Amino acid sequence: AQKVTQAQTEISVVEKEDVTLDCVYETRDTTYYLFWYKQPPSGELVFLIRRNSFDEQNEISGRYSWNFQKSTSSFNFTITASQVVDSAVYFCALTKGPHTGRRALTFGSGTRLQVQP
Amino acid sequence: NAGVMQNPRHLVRRRGQEARLRCSPMKGHSHVYWYRQLPEEGLKFMVYLQKENIIDESGMPKERFSAEFPKEGPSILRIQQVVRGDSAAYFCASSPPVIQNTEAFFGQGTRLTVV
Repeated sequence: AQKVTQAQTEISVVEKEDVTLDCVYETRDTTYYLFWYKQPPSGELVFLIRRNSFDEQNEISGRYSWNFQKSTSSFNFTITASQVVDSAVYFCALTKGPHTGRRALTFGSGTRLQVQP
Repeated sequence: NAGVMQNPRHLVRRRGQEARLRCSPMKGHSHVYWYRQLPEEGLKFMVYLQKENIIDESGMPKERFSAEFPKEGPSILRIQQVVRGDSAAYFCASSPPVIQNTEAFFGQGTRLTVV
């Protein structure tokens, strides 16, 4: 069975601070994908990143960066110089790799980020 | 994610009525997933469908809920005799038929309120 744990229920920071959202996962699959989604107050799900389990390189996209560590089963997300527009609920998710029958996502419970001006 | 279309965006039903939620997948996608998000919670998988087939319904409640994805037209999630506990956001995602990429894009969701 797959499981995703986001231990931080809510984080509050002041604008321009850096913030890291933690994600720990459990899976017996050797191949899998990890995701991060953003859910702003308007409610839609915004795709941020997908990472293949074979690729442990860290990734940076503007103010966003991701740290994937297989050894600790973690896929943490850092926002540098946070902005008020970053305020949202962030979800980490996991799915089996390709060539498997079931590709549904297993989501964590989410971390609500509040960025104060 | 604008390619996956869900309607209606908001739906209000009285207890005991039926709710029908529609999902039109992205062009060329033949796989559809439905998820439910209860208030203040993460998304939970409900059902996975291909055209005219239910592949995995392990997350679907046994009673009152059904889903279909006909050869023509959108996927429908149907909830019969709704109760207050069905109030939630229901999200649909779609993926292409070739199994090498997993779905990454969702529709904007349907927010069901049962009064």
